[in-house]
Amino acid sequence: DADVTQTPRNRITKTGKRIMLECSQTKGHDRMYWYRQDPGLGLRLIYYSFDVKDINKGEISDGYSVSRQAQAKFSLSLESAIPNQTALYFCATRGPGNSPLHFGNGTRLTVT
Amino acid sequence: DAKTTQPNSMESNEEEPVHLPCNHSTISGTDYIHWYRQLPSQGPEYVIHGLTSNVNNRMASLAIAEDRKSSTLILHRATLRDAAVYYCILRAQGGSEKLVFGKGTKLTVNP
Repeated sequence: DADVTQTPRNRITKTGKRIMLECSQTKGHDRMYWYRQDPGLGLRLIYYSFDVKDINKGEISDGYSVSRQAQAKFSLSLESAIPNQTALYFCATRGPGNSPLHFGNGTRLTVT
Repeated sequence: DAKTTQPNSMESNEEEPVHLPCNHSTISGTDYIHWYRQLPSQGPEYVIHGLTSNVNNRMASLAIAEDRKSSTLILHRATLRDAAVYYCILRAQGGSEKLVFGKGTKLTVNP
């Protein structure tokens, strides 16, 4: 089983709809992250969380919100999806200190 | 975090060594050099990281220049499964969480 699991793997939705992307991890890490990947732009950080009571904005948080339901679960919501939010979304976790990031396999989101 | 520069693409033949370069001329003394790779249709995968000394693990080796302004990821014997985009990233110990994943180097491995 994957250490970082994202659901759904693919989602097509319409403009204006609310959508939630979910992430769960079995690594026992406190730190969790949401990234967005667009062709030619690399990965950009949306939100990150150091524990259940700690949520921080990344570089592109506008239009997104997150919820850290438990140490193992971190969900990303688009309150009112728009077409330029069409992208590949990755969840990641990290241990303490200089530990590396562990990524899920991504959710491909298309907003029509 | 300081910026890194990598070639857009590189090509190699199967079973030959591959040297992937990364320039980071503005690196600071506390910046660690991290390498990740992203295989098609997958999330990025950690490869290796180091601070000053060369590092080896089961996946690759990391050679760091003496002045730390550049580094090279070495795949000792490329396989078709090594075809991926390779990212070189700097992160300071205890530094910002906003890691900059640039465009990376797309490695093609020819059979």
